Amino acid sequence: GEQVEQRPPHLSVREGDSAFITCTYTDPNSYYFFWYKQEPGASLQLLMKVFSSTEINEGQGFTVLLNKKDKRLSLNLTAAHPGDSAAYFCAVSAGGSNAKLTFGKGTKLSVKS
Amino acid sequence: NAGVIQTPRHKVTGKGQEATLWCEPISGHSAVFWYRQTIVQGLEFLTYFRNQAPIDDSGMPKERFSAQMPNQSHSTLKIQSTQPQDSAVYLCASTGLGVQNTLYFGAGTRLSVL
Repeated sequence: GEQVEQRPPHLSVREGDSAFITCTYTDPNSYYFFWYKQEPGASLQLLMKVFSSTEINEGQGFTVLLNKKDKRLSLNLTAAHPGDSAAYFCAVSAGGSNAKLTFGKGTKLSVKS
Repeated sequence: NAGVIQTPRHKVTGKGQEATLWCEPISGHSAVFWYRQTIVQGLEFLTYFRNQAPIDDSGMPKERFSAQMPNQSHSTLKIQSTQPQDSAVYLCASTGLGVQNTLYFGAGTRLSVL
C-alpha cells in the first residue's frame, strides 16, 4: 500500500525565516494531496488541498510544491511567525473508490521570536 | 455547522475494560473515517464507512476492535479488553465524497488505559 515519508520530524526556525517540509510517496496513482496543521491539543485543520494537475499552489504565507515525477510534495512556509508553531502533516489519496488518506508522520515546527 | 463531534474528549479505563468512542459526522457528509494518533506511529488509518456501509477496515486490529455506523448521524469505535498499548488519541473524520476527499477532523478522544 501507499507509504508516505515526511521530513524533517522536527524543525526549529527563527521568526521571519522560511520553513521547508517535504514528503515523498510511493503510489504513482496518488491524485489528491493535503497539508494539515495541528496545534497543541487541537485537531487537524486543513491547510491546503492540491490536485495532481497543479505543481505550484500558493496560500497565505506558504507555498505547496508537487513534483509528480519524483513523487514529492513540499510545504514552504515563508516568513514564519510564532503562530505557525504547530505540527504539520502531509496526506495522500488516490481518490475515487479508495478515499482514505495516508499520512506522513508529521513535522513539529517551532518558530522562535 | 458544529463540525465533527467526538465524545468523550478524554477516557480513562483500566486494563481489560471496554471503551466505546462516539463520533457525530458533519450533517450531510456521506463518509466517516477513524484514525489513531500516537507519538510513535503517527496517524494510522483504522477504518471507514461510506453511506453507513463498511468499506475498508484494513487498519483495524483483528481482535478487540470493532466499528459501527448504525445511522447517518453517528459512528462508534469499540475496544474490548483494553490494553495499555491502546492508549492513543482516536480521531474521527467525515467527508462528502463529492469534494475530492477533504477530511474534516473532530477534536479526538484521548484514551488512556492504566
